[in-house]
Amino acid sequence: GDSVTQMEGPVTLSEEACLTINCTYTATGYPSLFWYVQYPGEGLQLLLKATKADDKGSNKGFEATYRKETTSFHLEKGSVQVSDSAVYFCALSDQSGNQFYFGTGTSLTVIP
Amino acid sequence: DTEVTQTPKHLVMGMTNKKSLKCEQHMGHRAMYWYKQKAKKPPELMFVYSYEKLSINESVPSRFSPECPNSSLLNLHLHALQPEDSALYLCASSLERDLNYGYTFGSGTRLTVV
Repeated sequence: GDSVTQMEGPVTLSEEACLTINCTYTATGYPSLFWYVQYPGEGLQLLLKATKADDKGSNKGFEATYRKETTSFHLEKGSVQVSDSAVYFCALSDQSGNQFYFGTGTSLTVIP
Repeated sequence: DTEVTQTPKHLVMGMTNKKSLKCEQHMGHRAMYWYKQKAKKPPELMFVYSYEKLSINESVPSRFSPECPNSSLLNLHLHALQPEDSALYLCASSLERDLNYGYTFGSGTRLTVV
């Protein structure tokens, strides 16, 4: 079946450091890919998405590119801020749009 | 309005209590969902409503009872819960049952069963 694998955390970075959170997927056909962010004590917010190969999703300085050849959707940011401290979930919806799969989440802490 | 609103934000209930969680959206979304999230884990799907009809029940115990009174409202009725049911309960909606555009989540109700 379809699945998402993301890097284990926790990740701790200093402010202004570069961030990469790896995400790879297994899916039949052409899934849509997502990154959700969950700030402490809150629900999940859609951070960015990509619905076809080579699409780049971007928001709030974060980017991720849908790479079908490597089945990856890595999240990147060039300069993190303390306010980026949160848990990040990679996710996919299957080709039919009926099933949704979350990765296990990666906790990010940014220190001043 | 681009929000999913959940009430209450926090709830403490005894194992013999009956309580309800409420969820509301005014985005015209026709699919609504209940998820359960334990600490440091991804959300787990509990129920799916599409056009106000229950379309998926992920084998959830009967002490959780969903209700969809109309296309904007979703309730989760709780009765005789166990301490292990303590979790963050998230409501979500999507434009249609097709999830290729993702979900909009509410902020959740943090439930503690004592």
